[in-house]
Amino acid sequence: ETGVTQSPTHLIKTRGQQVTLRCSSQSGHNTVSWYQQALGQGPQFIFQYYREEENGRGNFPPRFSGLQFPNYSSELNVNALELDDSALYLCASSSDREAFHEQYFGPGTRLTVT
Amino acid sequence: GQQLNQSPQSMFIQEGEDVSMNCTSSSIFNTWLWYKQDPGEGPVLLIALYKAGELTSNGRLTAQFGITRKDSFLNISASIPSDVGIYFCAGPSGTYKYIFGTGTRLKVLA
Repeated sequence: ETGVTQSPTHLIKTRGQQVTLRCSSQSGHNTVSWYQQALGQGPQFIFQYYREEENGRGNFPPRFSGLQFPNYSSELNVNALELDDSALYLCASSSDREAFHEQYFGPGTRLTVT
Repeated sequence: GQQLNQSPQSMFIQEGEDVSMNCTSSSIFNTWLWYKQDPGEGPVLLIALYKAGELTSNGRLTAQFGITRKDSFLNISASIPSDVGIYFCAGPSGTYKYIFGTGTRLKVLA
């Protein structure tokens, strides 16, 4: 059984650019949630994808968007990057969409915006 | 909105000591999760709690679901250097998302 994987590990972008981050869910999991974790803070929920549709969203602007593919892998896209977008981006997979299902995290992608 | 407050924010302990930390919510939860995060890595699930009053162990870790459903506790017995890290509690906010606490930073002195 493979765990949650994310790519790339690190990324440096310039303000105004666009970025795509990728996540492969744990075997047998159909739900992926994305989180942003600023330095020294707990993870903040961005959105969740279930059966290729956005299933819930946190307090993030529309320039944060995502996709889920038939194999349940997922992408997070961020347009018009801002300096405050610098953070660790985490994805977590679970066996179903309801919040009582345990979530398992990937190692994260460290994004730096200059 | 919902908030999860963890205490203490950070703690230094001697190797071999027992550790206690807690998490309180402004609203009732029906699930509590405890995670540990090492620097530069994703959180690792330690313990999941589903019922008020439930006490669950995972090795040297024991967590309890408070009977008011607004708090949870994590204890680590006989701490070792690899227990260093940040411990987060998390609970469901609405049907589909989790919110995370502010974290307790644990440092173990050998």
